[in-house]
Amino acid sequence: EDKVVQSPLSLVVHEGDTVTLNCSYEVTNFRSLLWYKQEKKAPTFLFMLTSSGIEKKSGRLSSILDKKELFSILNITATQTGDSAVYLCAPLPPTSGTYKYIFGTGTRLKVLA
Amino acid sequence: NAGVTQTPKFQVLKTGQSMTLQCAQDMNHNSMYWYRQDPGMGLRLIYYSASEGTTDKGEVPNGYNVSRLNKREFSLRLESAAPSQTSVYFCASRPGQGHSNQPQHFGDGTRLSIL
Repeated sequence: EDKVVQSPLSLVVHEGDTVTLNCSYEVTNFRSLLWYKQEKKAPTFLFMLTSSGIEKKSGRLSSILDKKELFSILNITATQTGDSAVYLCAPLPPTSGTYKYIFGTGTRLKVLA
Repeated sequence: NAGVTQTPKFQVLKTGQSMTLQCAQDMNHNSMYWYRQDPGMGLRLIYYSASEGTTDKGEVPNGYNVSRLNKREFSLRLESAAPSQTSVYFCASRPGQGHSNQPQHFGDGTRLSIL
């Protein structure tokens, strides 16, 4: 059975800290992996990773994928209180013709002022 | 551009009652999804519709039915609500097959409590 594990489950940091969120998955030959940020309502899209070793960046956030070791990390530098959220990763298994992402349980990040 | 719209936002039901959660998207997406999110469980797929006219079971379909009314709308029905179905329900959509670089877009969710 496909499995996605995110760590840590929760994290409390102070503004300005750097955090690394982990996503490991048992989904071989998957097509892509997505990261989402979820505040109070809908998850919002952050990154889609399709190639191993290529870092994607968006401001203070960056993410990278290791297809061989089956994990991805999401880094947030110089954290701000607005980064407080649950961060979800979702690898896409290789079921042909469908796009059924499998979501991890998420990492809850709280950034203190 | 509204994106994915879910109604209602909140609902309280009694055990055994039925109701339908509505979802509509205005992005001309082919694929639509229903998830439930419970504490410590992440998002779990209930049903999905890869394209208009097709629906398939996800990870946790028991107790639910869906209808892909047209390309825009995908509804989720609870025929006889049970307390175990208390959850936050999210609808999502994406362009569909052939658009592998496009993510899912989510609605704001429906918080459902069953007493």
